[in-house]
Amino acid sequence: DAKTTQPTSMDCAEGRAANLPCNHSTISGNEYVYWYRQIHSQGPQYIIHGLKNNETNEMASLIITEDRKSSTLILPHATLRDTAVYYCIVRSFHGSSNTGKLIFGQGTTLQVKP
Amino acid sequence: NAGVTQTPKFQVLKTGQSMTLQCAQDMNHEYMSWYRQDPGMGLRLIHYSVGAGITDQGEVPNGYNVSRSTTEDFPLRLLSAAPSQTSVYFCASSPGTPDNEKLFFGSGTQLSVL
Repeated sequence: DAKTTQPTSMDCAEGRAANLPCNHSTISGNEYVYWYRQIHSQGPQYIIHGLKNNETNEMASLIITEDRKSSTLILPHATLRDTAVYYCIVRSFHGSSNTGKLIFGQGTTLQVKP
Repeated sequence: NAGVTQTPKFQVLKTGQSMTLQCAQDMNHEYMSWYRQDPGMGLRLIHYSVGAGITDQGEVPNGYNVSRSTTEDFPLRLLSAAPSQTSVYFCASSPGTPDNEKLFFGSGTQLSVL
């Protein structure tokens, strides 16, 4: 699976957009980008995923660059409840020995401030 | 909807004791996995399963056994507990289809080994 690089921590003002970057320069053509978040002491929560097109759902938007070497998770109007650790994960699927594995990195700690 | 259910929520063991952490899901998911999370760290994959009767090792499998006799259940066994296994354990499941590996996590088991 491609390695991801995320900043260790970020701050965001409440009500503003939070833009969380992720570098995955070794990503290959069949690898999806997944984002999860973990609010203190809870189990991680799925946010969004994509392959090459930008994606949007009720929680966030995912912008993937054309070369797919990086992506940005956007929380359009951050609230205090969005304070969490955000994980960017890149994995391939089926046909590889890594079938079924999803490896979490250290993630980005997002602090939303009033 | 029960989702992914983990029991117990808390457990204290003495060094050398054995125990089983239970995990059950009611979503008919093929893929299930176990992670551990140490304080201030990300999640590390212990074992995973892509279907009944199929299991494989993750990043940190030593000291743990798993089996998958049914689609619903994926217990994690600690053979001889050690203080280094003090951690929070999360179980997760996923449909595991090519475009959807969205993981659903349980609420975790906090384990202390004295």
